[in-house]
Amino acid sequence: QQQVKQSPQSLIVQKGGISIINCAYENTAFDYFPWYQQFPGKGPALLIAIRPDVSEKKEGRFTISFNKSAKQFSLHIMDSQPGDSATYFCAASSNAGNMLTFGGGTRLMVKP
Amino acid sequence: DAGVIQSPRHEVTEMGQEVTLRCKPISGHDYLFWYRQTMMRGLELLIYFNNNVPIDDSGMPEDRFSAKMPNASFSTLKIQPSEPRDSAVYFCASSEQGARGYTFGSGTRLTVV
Repeated sequence: QQQVKQSPQSLIVQKGGISIINCAYENTAFDYFPWYQQFPGKGPALLIAIRPDVSEKKEGRFTISFNKSAKQFSLHIMDSQPGDSATYFCAASSNAGNMLTFGGGTRLMVKP
Repeated sequence: DAGVIQSPRHEVTEMGQEVTLRCKPISGHDYLFWYRQTMMRGLELLIYFNNNVPIDDSGMPEDRFSAKMPNASFSTLKIQPSEPRDSAVYFCASSEQGARGYTFGSGTRLTVV
């Protein structure tokens, strides 16, 4: 059973536009929601993370929005750049252990 | 710190052969994870260890797959015999007890012909 559903599977955005990737989870015990960024030939790397006590976290051009009641969270990339082209994974974990449950991934292409 | 180190980076083998993938986690990390990534199935957790002990191997696809962690600084994932459908990128990741993020290695791209 997939516990974290991610959409869309792929996304094409023009340079300067806003990229939005959405995730929904089922397990109400989840209390940590990271996003990972993966470039071709590399492993996923932690990009930004949020805990459910806040509704938004911003780091530079990257923002996570979190809706606890809807059990949804999203990644917004402002002023998207070609260098942002990568695969993005949302994930979630609970305090019960170090296990991360990953979404299916979104391949983002930012066109110049 | 050199991060999580995986070897080899690429492996091409013939169907039926044994394949061994290697991983050196970050020193001091208590958890080690093996993932498989394919276009169709995304990131799949195969097995994870805590303090060198296998905790959950329910993701291991079948008996052809086995993993060991003989000490805190080394783990292997073995496929015997290999099949073309095992072709994928295999990642190792490690994390500290209580830390919520993983550090991934650069992966091993396995091609079984």
